[in-house]
Amino acid sequence: DAGVIQSPRHEVTEMGQEVTLRCKPISGHNSLFWYRQTMMRGLELLIYFNNNVPIDDSGMPEDRFSAKMPNASFSTLKIQPSEPRDSAVYFCASSHGDGTPGGFGQGTRLTVV
Amino acid sequence: QKEVEQNSGPLSVPEGAIASLNCTYSDRGSQSFFWYRQYSGKSPELIMFIYSNGDKEDGRFTAQLNKASQYVSLLIRDSQPSDSATYLCAVIGLTDKLIFGTGTRLQVFP
Repeated sequence: DAGVIQSPRHEVTEMGQEVTLRCKPISGHNSLFWYRQTMMRGLELLIYFNNNVPIDDSGMPEDRFSAKMPNASFSTLKIQPSEPRDSAVYFCASSHGDGTPGGFGQGTRLTVV
Repeated sequence: QKEVEQNSGPLSVPEGAIASLNCTYSDRGSQSFFWYRQYSGKSPELIMFIYSNGDKEDGRFTAQLNKASQYVSLLIRDSQPSDSATYLCAVIGLTDKLIFGTGTRLQVFP
């Protein structure tokens, strides 16, 4: 079991640039979650998918954020255009969808300058 | 009212003592409850889950759930300095979303 795999681990970009974060969930898991963690706000749920379908995106802060899950083994979170306040650690997590989370990826530390 | 509430701490306990971490939640329909540990700069890792009222023990950890009071706690017996971390309470409600509290920072001093 390779666990949840995220890339890149670190991303530094300039304000206004497009940023794409990637996630490969644990094989066999049918739910996928994107979280953002900051010192001020803690761990916030941005969006979650079940069977590749977005179920709840109410946590997505603005239209600048979008997420896709084209198949069961891959998801992306895109920020366009990026802003300094988007700087945070973004975590992806997956689960069987039965209430038992399988685990988190190592996170992507995003810095927007 | 936040969906999941925790005292931010820090909670400081001496080595060998029992650390008690508490969490309350607002969705009365919540069915699944989790405790995660997060070391500084690392991702959260699941340490306990509980679904039914009462206690659940796993080694030095005991999770306690009281659905009537909408309260879940984590006890760490024989606390060690390596237990120093932030402990996140998480709840899955009827919407199937895993919602986290802001975490309690635990410090275990020798």
